[in-house]
Amino acid sequence: GAVVSQHPSRVICKSGTSVKIECRSLDFQATTMFWYRQFPKQSLMLMATSNEGSKATYEQGVEKDKFLINHASLTLSTLTVTSAHPEDSSFYICSARDSVRETVNIQYFGAGTRLSVL
Amino acid sequence: AQKVTQAQTEISVVEKEDVTLDCVYETRDTTYYLFWYKQPPSGELVFLIRRNSFDEQNEISGRYSWNFQKSTSSFNFTITASQVVDSAVYFCAPPYNQGGKLIFGQGTELSVKP
Repeated sequence: GAVVSQHPSRVICKSGTSVKIECRSLDFQATTMFWYRQFPKQSLMLMATSNEGSKATYEQGVEKDKFLINHASLTLSTLTVTSAHPEDSSFYICSARDSVRETVNIQYFGAGTRLSVL
Repeated sequence: AQKVTQAQTEISVVEKEDVTLDCVYETRDTTYYLFWYKQPPSGELVFLIRRNSFDEQNEISGRYSWNFQKSTSSFNFTITASQVVDSAVYFCAPPYNQGGKLIFGQGTELSVKP
């Protein structure tokens, strides 16, 4: 149980294009999902909290127009990197928290998406 | 605000050695949770343990054990008889608040050599 699927696992794109990353909770419902960014040899940095049916909450310093988040259903959140540039190249990871078992407060993570912008 | 310090950035051991990964945290909350996650080379974070601040009993799960000391704000993780498959980056994390946002430490990269 508690499986989070993230797709794609790797994407290479040209500068200026937009890239969409999907995060799905496969066997549980998640009203809250989280998006992280990780640079090589560094820790995970929380980018935003994705809330089902409402606007995402972004951490300080994260451009919301650059990183568009949509959480349209209880099992799917998407992160779109708009007009990607080489500095957006990174490892993006999502996590989801089981809505039914919120008090347990455990986040389950996807396998991550490695974005390379040429 | 919550803060966590993992002072060991890299640890290298030989298989079958025991190894302890340190985690020291700061919090103003009286009730909180602490977590450990493992990130193998594949990149996915794997949940290892969640500990409630009320429960100071040490926990053991197979070769893994955790020593929670509220008085010193530490939540250390020990792997007994390490194996090559234990090679990974290990993250300690307390949540920001009841909303569940996690603050990750810098992580400790463990390398277990055969």
